[in-house]
Amino acid sequence: EDQVTQSPEALRLQEGESSSLNCSYTVSGLRGLFWYRQDPGKGPEFLFTLYSAGEEKEKERLKATLTKKESFLHITAPKPEDSATYLCAVQETSGSRLTFGEGTQLTVNP
Amino acid sequence: GAVVSQHPSRVICKSGTSVKIECRSLDFQATTMFWYRQFPKQSLMLMATSNEGSKATYEQGVEKDKFLINHASLTLSTLTVTSAHPEDSSFYICSARVIPGDSYGYTFGSGTRLTVV
Repeated sequence: EDQVTQSPEALRLQEGESSSLNCSYTVSGLRGLFWYRQDPGKGPEFLFTLYSAGEEKEKERLKATLTKKESFLHITAPKPEDSATYLCAVQETSGSRLTFGEGTQLTVNP
Repeated sequence: GAVVSQHPSRVICKSGTSVKIECRSLDFQATTMFWYRQFPKQSLMLMATSNEGSKATYEQGVEKDKFLINHASLTLSTLTVTSAHPEDSSFYICSARVIPGDSYGYTFGSGTRLTVV
C-alpha cells in the first residue's frame, strides 16, 4: 500500500526565512510525485510534478527535488502570501489514483 | 491550462435530503474524474474514481448507494449525496486527469462545502 508522510505538520517562518518541507513516500513503482498548494476553503492548486530521482523543478520562490525515498519543497525568502497548506501526493505506475500526505501548514509572518 | 469548474461552492441542506455536486472540465475532455472528501485539518481522501460511460469505482468503506456518481459525458461528472446526515458534512473536491497527463496530470475543482443540518 502506498504511503506518504509529510513533515513537519506545521511550520512558522518569518518573512525571508528560508526552509524546506519534506515528503517521504513508499510506493511499489513511482510514476509521479506531485506538489500542490491549498488555501483554506479552496481546492488544491498544482505546483510541480516530479518523475524520477534527481529531478528538480523551480517556480518563483519554490524548488522541488526528488530522491528515491523522499521529496523536498524548498522555499527561499518566503513572503506572507506563501502561507498555505502544501500537499504532496504520489501516483504509482500501475494506477491512476493519487495518494496524498497529510500536508504541511505553512505560516509566514511579516 | 486545464480548468475544472465545481458547483456549488457551498450548500446547506436538511438532514434526509439529497444534494448534487457538479464537476465540469472546461477546456479539455476528462475521461477519468476523481472525488475526494476532506475533513478539517486533514488531507484529501479518495472516495471514488469515475470513468466516462461506465460505473464508478468506490474506495473501501465508501457507500456507493449513498454517494452516487455519474459521469455521463467527457466534461461532466456529478456526485449526489443521498439522504444526507450531519456526519456527511465535509469538503468535497473533484479532480480530473488531464490526458496525456504530464505537468498538469491532475487538476482540481475549487471544492464544495456541504453542511447538513
